[in-house]
Amino acid sequence: EVQLVESGGGLVKAGGSLRLSCAASGFTFSTYIMDWVRQAPGKGLEWLSSISSSSAYIYYADSVKGRFTISRDNAENSLYLHLNSLRAEDTAVYFCARGPSSGYYKIDWWGQGTLVTVSS
Amino acid sequence: DIQMTQSPSSLSASVGDRVTITCRASQSISNYLNWYQQKPGKAPKVLIYAASSFESGVPSRFSGSGSGTDFTLTISSLQPEDFASYYCQQSYSPPYTFGQGTNLEIK
Repeated sequence: EVQLVESGGGLVKAGGSLRLSCAASGFTFSTYIMDWVRQAPGKGLEWLSSISSSSAYIYYADSVKGRFTISRDNAENSLYLHLNSLRAEDTAVYFCARGPSSGYYKIDWWGQGTLVTVSS
Repeated sequence: DIQMTQSPSSLSASVGDRVTITCRASQSISNYLNWYQQKPGKAPKVLIYAASSFESGVPSRFSGSGSGTDFTLTISSLQPEDFASYYCQQSYSPPYTFGQGTNLEIK
C-alpha cells in the first residue's frame, strides 16, 4: 500500500527555519514526480512546489520562491522541504503528495500532513 | 501564473439534490483540470482529472466537463458522504494552482 508520512513540523519563530521530511513506501518512489501542498487553518489548498523524479525539474509557487527549497533522496525514498525566513502566514498543515510517474499531471496520493506554526 | 476561480465558495444542499460547482481559469488550460474532494481533518482525494476522466473508484454520480477556461463538477444526486470541500486545480503549467474551494454543506 502507498504510504506518505510527513515529519518535521512544529513551532518556530518568525524568521526561523525548518526542514520537513516525507517518507514514502509502497511504490517505486524514484519514478514519480513529488509535490508539497499546504493548507492554512480554515483555508484552502495551496500548491507549493514540485520536483521531477530525477530532480532535474523543480517548480515553486511565487509565495515561497527563494525561501523554500524542495529536494529528494531516491535512495532513501524521501522527499524534503526546507523552509527558511518563515513568516506568520506560513502557518499551515504541509502535505507531501504524489504526482504522476508519466503522462498527465494529477495528485493521486497524499500524506496526512504535518503542522507548521510560525509565531510572531 | 494561472489564476483559478471557483464558485460558489459555499453551497447548502439536501440529500438527493443535483449540484454544480464551477471553476474558471484566467487563461485557456485546454482540459488540464483536476477536481479534488476533502473532508474535515483528512487529506484531499482526486475525483476527476483531465476535466472529465474519472479516478478509479469514484462513484458515477460525480462528473466533470469543460475545456478552455470554464469547467464544472456535477454531483447528480447528493449522498450524505458527499458533504465536503471541493477544489479545482489546473495542471496546464506550474505553478499548479488550486481554486479557493467550495464548501458543500447540508441544508
